[in-house]
Amino acid sequence: SQQGEEDPQALSIQEGENATMNCSYKTSINNLQWYRQNSGRGLVHLILIRSNEREKHSGRLRVTLDTSKKSSSLLITASRAADTASYFCATAPGGSYIPTFGRGTSLIVHP
Amino acid sequence: EAQVTQNPRYLITVTGKKLTVTCSQNMNHEYMSWYRQDPGLGLRQIYYSMNVEVTDKGDVPEGYKVSRKEKRNFPLILESPSPNQTSLYFCASSLGHLGSEKLFFGSGTQLSVL
Repeated sequence: SQQGEEDPQALSIQEGENATMNCSYKTSINNLQWYRQNSGRGLVHLILIRSNEREKHSGRLRVTLDTSKKSSSLLITASRAADTASYFCATAPGGSYIPTFGRGTSLIVHP
Repeated sequence: EAQVTQNPRYLITVTGKKLTVTCSQNMNHEYMSWYRQDPGLGLRQIYYSMNVEVTDKGDVPEGYKVSRKEKRNFPLILESPSPNQTSLYFCASSLGHLGSEKLFFGSGTQLSVL
C-alpha cells in the first residue's frame, strides 16, 4: 500500500525558477527519503530526513518535514533543464526501515 | 564501483514462457527488493528479502517468485508470465538497518509479455 503521495503530479517551470513539491503520508514514520528518476532509469537517492529533524539541505535541495501535519516538501532552487525528472518520496513506517513510494511528481524545467 | 546490476535491460516474451530477471549487488547489502513501475501507479513492491533465505511478500506478489540463496543475488522469477505483468521492473538494495536506509537501484528491466 502506498503510504506517501506527492503533489502536484506534474510541475512545469522555467529555468532559474524554484520548484517545490510536497509529500503527504498517513502513519508515523522513522524517516522520509526523496529520490529522483530520469526517464525510465533507476531511481537515485537525493536526501533522507529523520522524524526528529525539521529541515535538511543538500546543494540546491532543501527538504522540510512537519510530522504534525504528516507532510514533507522538497525545494529545488534555481532549477536547471537537467533537473527535469520525476521525484518520489519514500516513507518508512515507525519501527521499520522498509520504504514505500508515492506516485511521484513529474518536473519539467524549460530552458 | 558500488552498483546494483540487473539483466536483461529489455525483454520481450510470450504468455506462459518462464523467465528470470537477475539482480546482483556488490555492496554486501542485506536488504534487497523488487519493484514494478506502471504509469500513474508509482513503484509497487513485489517481494523483499532481509537476508539470505529470508524473503517476504510486498504489495503485489501474485505471479512472481524470488529466491535469496546468496547475499549478492536476488532473482525475480515469472513462472507463467501474463500480459498484465508487462511493466518496468527495478531491483534495489540497502544495508538494511535503521540508520542505513538509503536504497540503491538497478537500471531497470522493461518487460513486455505478448
